[in-house]
Amino acid sequence: DAKTTQPNSMESNEEEPVHLPCNHSTISGTDYIHWYRQLPSQGPEYVIHGLTSNVNNRMASLAIAEDRKSSTLILHRATLRDAAVYYCILRDDNYGQNFVFGPGTRLSVLP
Amino acid sequence: SQTIHQWPATLVQPVGSPLSLECTVEGTSNPNLYWYRQAAGRGLQLLFYSVGIGQISSEVPQNLSASRPQDRQFILSSKKLLLSDSGFYLCASIPGQGLSNYGYTFGSGTRLTVV
Repeated sequence: DAKTTQPNSMESNEEEPVHLPCNHSTISGTDYIHWYRQLPSQGPEYVIHGLTSNVNNRMASLAIAEDRKSSTLILHRATLRDAAVYYCILRDDNYGQNFVFGPGTRLSVLP
Repeated sequence: SQTIHQWPATLVQPVGSPLSLECTVEGTSNPNLYWYRQAAGRGLQLLFYSVGIGQISSEVPQNLSASRPQDRQFILSSKKLLLSDSGFYLCASIPGQGLSNYGYTFGSGTRLTVV
């Protein structure tokens, strides 16, 4: 499985943008980049995913580096509800691999 | 969109007792189904996955087993619980053939405490 590296924790102030980085230097051409987040005492929820181009949805934006060796999840205005563990995961479509969750980044949002 | 029903939400069981956790999926057919466990303060560990009825793959040897008696039903069982089986158990589903362009949908989880 292609691996990802994320900071263990990050802090943000409420209503400020948050940029959560993810390094995936061994990514292959068919790996999709997925982001999930897990709120306390809940199951993970899908946030966003992409392959090569930047992606936007109502929850967040995903910026993918041109060489695809890193990506950044962008929360445009952090709220207290965004405090969670954020997971960056790669999955190869060609082989139907299962998702492998690393430790993720614990985001704290300060009021 | 998919909906996953998982029950019970919390469970306290004595050591040596049996376990049965059930997960059902709505809104898709022929999903790939998964059981994950999360120990307190830890990451998600994949326990079992299934690509179809009666097809179970185990990721780690342990005290647990899984079954898929119907297309959208996934059951996690144990004959005799151990203290180390305590944790947050999550069922997840990916629609269709589990292609990468789809994401997981997770259930709300069962918090199991073995005493």
